[in-house]
Amino acid sequence: DAGVTQSPTHLIKTRGQQVTLRCSPKSGHDTVSWYQQALGQGPQFIFQYYEEEERQRGNFPDRFSGHQFPNYSSELNVNALLLGDSALYLCASSSGTRNYGYTFGSGTRLTVV
Amino acid sequence: AQSVTQPDIHITVSEGASLELRCNYSYGATPYLFWYVQSPGQGLQLLLKYFSGDTLVQGIKGFEAEFKRSQSSFNLRKPSVHWSDAAEYFCAVGNNAGNMLTFGGGTRLMVKP
Repeated sequence: DAGVTQSPTHLIKTRGQQVTLRCSPKSGHDTVSWYQQALGQGPQFIFQYYEEEERQRGNFPDRFSGHQFPNYSSELNVNALLLGDSALYLCASSSGTRNYGYTFGSGTRLTVV
Repeated sequence: AQSVTQPDIHITVSEGASLELRCNYSYGATPYLFWYVQSPGQGLQLLLKYFSGDTLVQGIKGFEAEFKRSQSSFNLRKPSVHWSDAAEYFCAVGNNAGNMLTFGGGTRLMVKP
């Protein structure tokens, strides 16, 4: 049974560019949450998607947006990249929104130069 | 607003010695509390969680944690550390809506042979 799959594993972007990160949830899960983990820090909640809608959002600017598809997979988009956006982006899936039974993926390491 | 503080950034213990990692939280209601472990290049793995009931919680890999409401603490303990326990440990508090985790800054555990 596959867990949470994230792609790509690493990527390098230039300031001002846009990036899309992808997440496939664990089989049986329908909810996807995204977290940003800067180097040496704990993860910070970006947002959660359920039934193709954003259900909860953390303290992140509108440059961060997302999407959830009918098959429950999700994308995280970041526009106008800043150096400070360099981080590990973690996807977590769960069953339903009121459920802390998260399964985390291994993350996408984004470097902005 | 909810918050989590992990006072110790780094801890080094000898293999076979006991371990206690500290966690203090701030939350207005009854907290949902978690401990996660992260190995290099990996996502987060849940060690244990506390929702209600017995304040001493048993987790995987021989870990346990004790919830102390009067001290707003949820410290993680292990009686005998193994070299494979070397990793980063994160304490987290969940909101009542069940859709957002707030993490502490993490404690990096190193194990001496």
